[in-house]
Amino acid sequence: QQQVKQSPQSLIVQKGGISIINCAYENTAFDYFPWYQQFPGKGPALLIAIRPDVSEKKEGRFTISFNKSAKQFSLHIMDSQPGDSATYFCAASLTTSGTYKYIFGTGTRLKVLA
Amino acid sequence: NAGVTQTPKFQVLKTGQSMTLQCAQDMNHEYMSWYRQDPGMGLRLIHYSVGAGITDQGEVPNGYNVSRSTTEDFPLRLLSAAPSQTSVYFCASRITPRDSSYEQYFGPGTRLTVT
Repeated sequence: QQQVKQSPQSLIVQKGGISIINCAYENTAFDYFPWYQQFPGKGPALLIAIRPDVSEKKEGRFTISFNKSAKQFSLHIMDSQPGDSATYFCAASLTTSGTYKYIFGTGTRLKVLA
Repeated sequence: NAGVTQTPKFQVLKTGQSMTLQCAQDMNHEYMSWYRQDPGMGLRLIHYSVGAGITDQGEVPNGYNVSRSTTEDFPLRLLSAAPSQTSVYFCASRITPRDSSYEQYFGPGTRLTVT
């Protein structure tokens, strides 16, 4: 019940295309859903995040779509650029009863071709 | 602010050796945590701390110890290294444990190889 399932494992997109990464969760107690971006040799960095009472959040070229009934959320990268080539992790947080954990998906390696 | 710093960047150990991975943050964050990153496994929580003197286990705590004597430092100890502990280790911090919507900051990582 604590898992977050992420797909695809890897993704290749042409420059200017749309990159879509999907995540699904099981535990309805999760209350915060961030996406992290990680470049090779670096630590992950927060990209964008959403709460379950919102269906969509957009920041520049990055959009999270959230479907509470399906327990799914996705990251859309519009007009993908070679500089977006990185590994992306979705996550879910659980802040109940003294636990303060993030559960991460397994990651998606995105390559944007010039 | 230096943010979250980790030392060393790289380390090779022999099976059975012990070592401590260092993590420090200068942002006065209450919450600190350790993750390991393995191919195809994502980031898995090892231990976390919600303040000085308070630590708890994450998903994969076996073989690791932590302590938090100050707000700034959160070292991770491997008592007897095993090849299964070969991984990249990330330390992270957040200003408060009580609101997960605050940004969690990650360090640059330590790449550990156990032979």
